[in-house]
Amino acid sequence: KQEVTQIPAALSVPEGENLVLNCSFTDSAIYNLQWFRQDPGKGLTSLLLIQSSQREQTSGRLNASLDKSSGRSTLYIAASQPGDSATYLCAVMNYGGSQGNLIFGKGTKLSVKP
Amino acid sequence: DVKVTQSSRYLVKRTGEKVFLECVQDMDHENMFWYRQDPGLGLRLIYFSYDVKMKEKGDIPEGYSVSREKKERFSLILESASTNQTSMYLCASSSGGEPREQYFGPGTRLTVT
Repeated sequence: KQEVTQIPAALSVPEGENLVLNCSFTDSAIYNLQWFRQDPGKGLTSLLLIQSSQREQTSGRLNASLDKSSGRSTLYIAASQPGDSATYLCAVMNYGGSQGNLIFGKGTKLSVKP
Repeated sequence: DVKVTQSSRYLVKRTGEKVFLECVQDMDHENMFWYRQDPGLGLRLIYFSYDVKMKEKGDIPEGYSVSREKKERFSLILESASTNQTSMYLCASSSGGEPREQYFGPGTRLTVT
């Protein structure tokens, strides 16, 4: 059974710092991996999707990488800002089976201090 | 932009009531999902649908049912609400083809008293 782990559970950094959030998964037979952002009491906002054939995706200050063989993904945030404070969730979609439900990690709560 | 809307942001119901949570998407997506999110447990899939009138159970379907009569609308039904169903409920949709990126609604915070 696929399990997704995110470390650390919480992270506090000063504004301007570059940072890396980690995600690991136990079954490498994934279809894709998505990174989401969730603000308190709100829904999830999709940040980046990496398909299984890709190594990385970039959007603005965000870069996500995928290493299927080691079961790892990282989300790199450059020049962090207080507005980046949120919980970041990693989720994988397995091959086969149902029509694409995601298995989520429990998230990393990021706090960027001015 | 994809838009997924949910009928209520906050809902308070009494134990034993029948509760309907509605979700609508405007991108003609084939797949729709209902998750619940609880502290310490993360997001868990309740039900999903890959076509009109089609549904499949997720990880925690007990106590819930769903309805999908139209492609754009997916309803979650709590047949007899219980206090352990107090949670944040999140709806999502995705296309049937690549890349199957999931888009989420704003969530419904349900409290059952």
